[in-house]
Amino acid sequence: AQSVTQLDSQVPVFEEAPVELRCNYSSSVSVYLFWYVQYPNQGLQLLLKYLSGSTLVESINGFEAEFNKSQTSFHLRKPSVHISDTAEYFCAVSDLWRGKLIFGQGTTLQVKP
Amino acid sequence: KAGVTQTPRYLIKTRGQQVTLSCSPISGHRSVSWYQQTPGQGLQFLFEYFSETQRNKGNFPGRFSGRQFSNSRSEMNVSTLELGDSALYLCASSLEGLPQETQYFGPGTRLLVL
Repeated sequence: AQSVTQLDSQVPVFEEAPVELRCNYSSSVSVYLFWYVQYPNQGLQLLLKYLSGSTLVESINGFEAEFNKSQTSFHLRKPSVHISDTAEYFCAVSDLWRGKLIFGQGTTLQVKP
Repeated sequence: KAGVTQTPRYLIKTRGQQVTLSCSPISGHRSVSWYQQTPGQGLQFLFEYFSETQRNKGNFPGRFSGRQFSNSRSEMNVSTLELGDSALYLCASSLEGLPQETQYFGPGTRLLVL
């Protein structure tokens, strides 16, 4: 069965510092990987996704993630965070069954001034 | 295009009651998936509907059910509510529900069971 592990439940960081949110997955087949962000009292918004091709994927707001098949990882990075990046971040893998995402437990990113 | 909408946004019920939540997908999207989000269990998949048929179901008791209408709008129903059903219920829509498609989430319905 597929599963996703987010290694850190909370990541505190100062504004303008770099950050990495770690995600590992287990799957015996090809995977599609996603990072979603959830701001307080809102639903989830797609940040970026890996389907195939280049292992480095980028979002429009400066986040990037690298698919590493040998380490079964899909870590999310940003070189310089802003206060507005404070949110909960979820890594997910798409199940082979249609319409189902399997999520990690989430990582709360706390950006301090 | 309008995003995914969910109604109501907040609900308070008592144990033993039943509740119906509604989800309107993005126009043109035919797949609707439902998830339960709790602090302890995180985000868990409930079920997915496509063309008025349930195609996939998570590990939830039969008290949780759903349906989809011909316009792709979906409802989920929880009968005989328990305290543990308190959660944020999220629905998401996509074009066909294929694994590589992005799922677009609504703001959720927050259910509190007293």
